[in-house]
Amino acid sequence: DAGVIQSPRHEVTEMGQEVTLRCKPISGHNSLFWYRQTMMRGLELLIYFNNNVPIDDSGMPEDRFSAKMPNASFSTLKIQPSEPRDSAVYFCASSATGISRGGELFFGEGSRLTVL
Amino acid sequence: GNSVTQMEGPVTLSEEAFLTINCTYTATGYPSLFWYVQYPGEGLQLLLKATKADDKGSNKGFEATYRKETTSFHLEKGSVQVSDSAVYFCASSNAGGTSYGKLTFGQGTILTVHP
Repeated sequence: DAGVIQSPRHEVTEMGQEVTLRCKPISGHNSLFWYRQTMMRGLELLIYFNNNVPIDDSGMPEDRFSAKMPNASFSTLKIQPSEPRDSAVYFCASSATGISRGGELFFGEGSRLTVL
Repeated sequence: GNSVTQMEGPVTLSEEAFLTINCTYTATGYPSLFWYVQYPGEGLQLLLKATKADDKGSNKGFEATYRKETTSFHLEKGSVQVSDSAVYFCASSNAGGTSYGKLTFGQGTILTVHP
């Protein structure tokens, strides 16, 4: 079975450019999460969706960040304009759990973003 | 809300040593508890889980027991290998109500095992 697929795996860009990260969750999963990982702050939850609807975006750092999930098989995280402090590894994760006590999250391999 | 506190790292051990990584949680109700492992350059993957008090999760020689009385879920392995070098994350689910699968993660513990 295909796992969570993220693209690009690596992105190097210059400050001020727009960055779009993509995620394809596991088929049949109805919750999708975007995380950011840095040495300084560890693993941070940015936003999550259930049945394509954003549930909680309180972790999104600021208005430069936006996320969409137009359908059950695709999500994007966009940074516009990008800044050097956005450099991090961005993970997408999905889960088959709906209204429940919680279950396993399946993570993608991450998108490593470097903003110069 | 929920919180998870892990033992500060990094942890450095010799091969075949005994490993303990402490994890405690706070939550209302009875969350499910998880240990995730992240190998260099990869995403997190589930190592083991326990869904109710006194359950023991186990996988690849690692074990953790859900202790409600001490709100703990410590990770143990009797004899570590170099290949166990990774970052380990403790996590809890949101107990009760509508969770949507959201997990609360600890800060991670870096484990390095030397030959």
